[in-house]
Amino acid sequence: QKEVEQNSGPLSVPEGAIASLNCTYSDRGSQSFFWYRQYSGKSPELIMSIYSNGDKEDGRFTAQLNKASQYVSLLIRDSQPSDSATYLCAAKGTTDSWGKFQFGAGTQVVVTP
Amino acid sequence: EPEVTQTPSHQVTQMGQEVILRCVPISNHLYFYWYRQILGQKVEFLVSFYNNEISEKSEIFDDQFSVERPDGSNFTLKIRSTKLEDSAMYFCASSGTVREQYFGPGTRLTVT
Repeated sequence: QKEVEQNSGPLSVPEGAIASLNCTYSDRGSQSFFWYRQYSGKSPELIMSIYSNGDKEDGRFTAQLNKASQYVSLLIRDSQPSDSATYLCAAKGTTDSWGKFQFGAGTQVVVTP
Repeated sequence: EPEVTQTPSHQVTQMGQEVILRCVPISNHLYFYWYRQILGQKVEFLVSFYNNEISEKSEIFDDQFSVERPDGSNFTLKIRSTKLEDSAMYFCASSGTVREQYFGPGTRLTVT
């Protein structure tokens, strides 16, 4: 069974601090990785995608990918109370599974004022 | 900004009844998906659809489930005979390539 693993949290972060979220995946053939934000009772909202090893920055968010270690991370800089949500890591498989996303269970982030 | 829409937002049905969940993907997208999320659990893939046929389906997507694109805009998920364990949020997603997927707001299905 191909899995995506995340710490469930909650991860408590003071306002203005950096939130660091981690994700590991078991399918070494996975090529594409995504971070979604999900507020309670709402649908997943795409924040970042990353396909190559290294860092990718978009505003206050930075995604990091290390395919050798099968590890993806998300940094949220200058955390705001509105960042309080569950963050889902998703991996897309190899060409024989082109459309299927495997989601982690999510990490709950709580930003405290 | 274009978005995926889903109707209804909440559907209550009795066990054994058929339900149809409707989705309107983003207009220029070609790839469509259904996922479900049981309360408190992870988002689970059900099925992907491209070029008017199923591309991939999970073990959850058994003979009780079917998908259809009846016209140029709608994408539907039918559950033929609902069970209590089908109660969940059902999310439709679409993508323009096989990369980023954009999710609709979901339909909460409650089977009583």
